[in-house]
Formats: sequence, structure tokens, C-alpha cells
Amino acid sequence: GQQVMQIPQYQHVQEGEDFTTYCNSSTTLSNIQWYKQRPGGHPVFLIQLVKSGEVKKQKRLTFQFGEAKKNSSLHITATQTTDVGTYFCAGESGGSNYKLTFGKGTLLTVNP
Amino acid sequence: ETGVTQTPRHLVMGMTNKKSLKCEQHLGHNAMYWYKQSAKKPLELMFVYNFKEQTENNSVPSRFSPECPNSSHLFLHLHTLQPEDSALYLCASSQGTGGWETQYFGPGTRLLVL
Repeated sequence: GQQVMQIPQYQHVQEGEDFTTYCNSSTTLSNIQWYKQRPGGHPVFLIQLVKSGEVKKQKRLTFQFGEAKKNSSLHITATQTTDVGTYFCAGESGGSNYKLTFGKGTLLTVNP
Repeated sequence: ETGVTQTPRHLVMGMTNKKSLKCEQHLGHNAMYWYKQSAKKPLELMFVYNFKEQTENNSVPSRFSPECPNSSHLFLHLHTLQPEDSALYLCASSQGTGGWETQYFGPGTRLLVL
């Protein structure tokens, strides 16, 4: 079945440093979504990427979808303590049987 | 955010108890989901309902029994659970069940089975 892998599992940075998490799929994805879950909270939708090679930005966050639509990345520039949380990617490979598969997530901690 | 609500927020139950989790969405969506989130594991999809009909049962043990009386409400009935069932149970909704749909999650019920 479809697998979505995320690395790293954990990342600890100093405030102001950059952060990147990577998402890789075993199959070509029709789209990829990114969610953020704050400690003690629930996943909240951040963004969706659909087109090959697509790049989207949200303030300090840059999301990228690979040319082959099998990988994606989330990059945060100059992290802040408010960026703390787990970042999940979720992908769906299309076809008649819908199943949005979530990665394990990357837990980001930021030292002030 | 109050689009998707879940009750109770915390639940402690013994292995012989019967309890129910409730989810309600106020977004006018047609699809609702139950997920299980355990430590060090990815989000596990349990059930999917679309227009009140179950469209996905991801090999979930029968001690978990979902119920969807209408598109706005979703229940998860629990009985004779095991300690390994302790986890955060998240409800989510989306407009439809297409893979492009954004999912809106509730705050979750943190379940502890003793």
C-alpha cells in the first residue's frame, strides 16, 4: 500500500535557525497536504500542493512539491518559539479508493 | 476553532466498561472520520463516513463500533477495550471524501484504558 515517510522524526533548533522537514512517498501523489499539530492540540491544515514542482509560501514557511510528485518539503526560515509542534504531510495517490495517508510527522522544538 | 467538537475531552475506562465518544461538526460537511493517534505512530485512519454511509473500515477491531446518524454527528462506541487502545482519538470532517479535500480536526478525546 501507499506509504508516506517523513524525516527527520525530531528536530531541535535555536530560535532564529532554519528548519526543514521532508516527505517522501512510495507512489506518485495527486496532491500533498501539510498540517501542524501544536503540543496538546490537534492537526490543523496549513496548505495543499497539487502541481508538479509547485512552490507556495506562507510568511516564513515555504512548501515545495517535487517534480515527480513523490516528495515534498516544508522549510521554515528563522524559527520562532511559536513554530513549535509536529508537522505532518499527508498524501493521496488517487484512484478509485480514497485514502489520505499521513506521515509520522516531524516534531520541532525551538530553544529561545 | 469550534468547527468540529468532541466530547469528552478526556476519558479513563476499565477494560470491562462501555463508553461512547461523540463528534459534531458545524461546517456543513458531508464526510466524517475517526483517527487514532498513538505515541510514535502515524495518524491511523479508522473509519470514514460519507453522507452517513460508512465507506472505509480500516481493519479496526470490533470492540470499536462507529455510528453516524447524520452528516453532522459521529459516535465511536467502545467496549471491552485493551490497554493498548489508550490513545488520542481524533474526529475530522471534510466537504467530501476526495483525496484533495482538506480535513478539519476536532480537539480529540484522550483515552486511557486501565
